[in-house]
Amino acid sequence: EAGVVQSPRYKIIEKKQPVAFWCNPISGHNTLYWYLQNLGQGPELLIRYENEEAVDDSQLPKDRFSAERLKGVDSTLKIQPAELGDSAVYLCASSATSGGGELFFGEGSRLTVL
Amino acid sequence: AQSVSQHNHHVILSEAASLELGCNYSYGGTVNLFWYVQYPGQHLQLLLKYFSGDPLVKGIKGFEAEFIKSKFSFNLRKPSVQWSDTAEYFCAVNPGGYNKLIFGAGTRLAVHP
Repeated sequence: EAGVVQSPRYKIIEKKQPVAFWCNPISGHNTLYWYLQNLGQGPELLIRYENEEAVDDSQLPKDRFSAERLKGVDSTLKIQPAELGDSAVYLCASSATSGGGELFFGEGSRLTVL
Repeated sequence: AQSVSQHNHHVILSEAASLELGCNYSYGGTVNLFWYVQYPGQHLQLLLKYFSGDPLVKGIKGFEAEFIKSKFSFNLRKPSVQWSDTAEYFCAVNPGGYNKLIFGAGTRLAVHP
């Protein structure tokens, strides 16, 4: 079974540039998450989708971050414009509705903003 | 606010030493508890989980964890570590069936041969 797929693995951009990350969850997983992981810290939830609906986006900085999951499968997270402080690893995860909260993670997208 | 505390940020051990990593959470209701591991250059992987039943949970690679409800703790243990256990370990809590995980800051373990 294929795991959670993310791309790109690495991205280097200059500040004020836009960037987008893509995630394809495990087949059949209705719930999709985007987490932010800063160096030396644990993952922090940015947004959670149940199918196409964003059910928890309270931690998403909506002035510059946006996300979508149009057909309830893959998802895109966008930052526009990027700031120096956005340098981090962006993790995508998915889970089954009856999974009890067990998440399956992708390898992450490491963003460096110069 | 709900939170997860991991007491040790960095742990250094020699092979064959015993390991215990502390984890405490702040949530008064029913929780599902997890330990994830991240080996160098790899993605986060589930080590073990607790949903209900026997509070002593066994996971992969000889790891176990004990849920002590009265102490809001879920400590990870391994009797004898190996060099290959070098990784970062994250405790996580799913509070009240909200279907999301709250993570601790992680503990970086280095095992020397």
